[in-house]
Amino acid sequence: EVQLAESGGGLVQPGGSLRLSCAASGFTFSSYWMEWVRQTPGKGLVWISHINNDGSSSSYADSVKGRFTISRDNAKNTLYLQMNSLRAEDTAVYFCVRANWESFTHFDFWGQGTLVTVSS
Amino acid sequence: DIQMTQSPSSLSASVGDRVTITCRASQSISSYLNWYQQKPGKAPKLLIYAASALQSGVPSRFSGSGSGTDFTLTISSLQPEDFATYYCQQTYTIPTWTFGQGTKVEIK
Repeated sequence: EVQLAESGGGLVQPGGSLRLSCAASGFTFSSYWMEWVRQTPGKGLVWISHINNDGSSSSYADSVKGRFTISRDNAKNTLYLQMNSLRAEDTAVYFCVRANWESFTHFDFWGQGTLVTVSS
Repeated sequence: DIQMTQSPSSLSASVGDRVTITCRASQSISSYLNWYQQKPGKAPKLLIYAASALQSGVPSRFSGSGSGTDFTLTISSLQPEDFATYYCQQTYTIPTWTFGQGTKVEIK
């Protein structure tokens, strides 16, 4: 069974940093692209970052570019999101997502999400 | 950037109704269009990918159609468990993706 379990969320002050982790199991982690998607409470889904299967390529939404860094450790089956210079508008639930790229890329498995609150 | 616009933003329907949600892309995305369902407090769930392919385990009352810029998600007979918010997503622009703003399906 595919499982994605996020951790690392919490309360952080504006300007602070936080690192999210996503432990993957039930599939060959190193074969899949991985994504982070966030959702502000009561609002819609926003894709924020992508990493390819071997970690050699990544991309970011403009809203987080230069502040967030995605990475992965295929030996540990773990995805990360390092978030620096956090702002109030980064407050959201952050989802770890598996991207199935074999046919018309789609997000086929999602973690349950971890809440990040940026507030003083 | 490709913008995705869903309509309506919300709708009220009764159990047994046929429901249609529309998603329009700001430029052609071929069939690179996915649909997700999200219930309150839960993670989104993939329903349809490649515009019309039903994800494994998803009931056949859900169907998708369209290509280019205009797409439709149809629920042929709305069930109580289908009251949720639905999102479309384009995956044409690899590797940056865009979601629609969502359509909330409520009980009439």
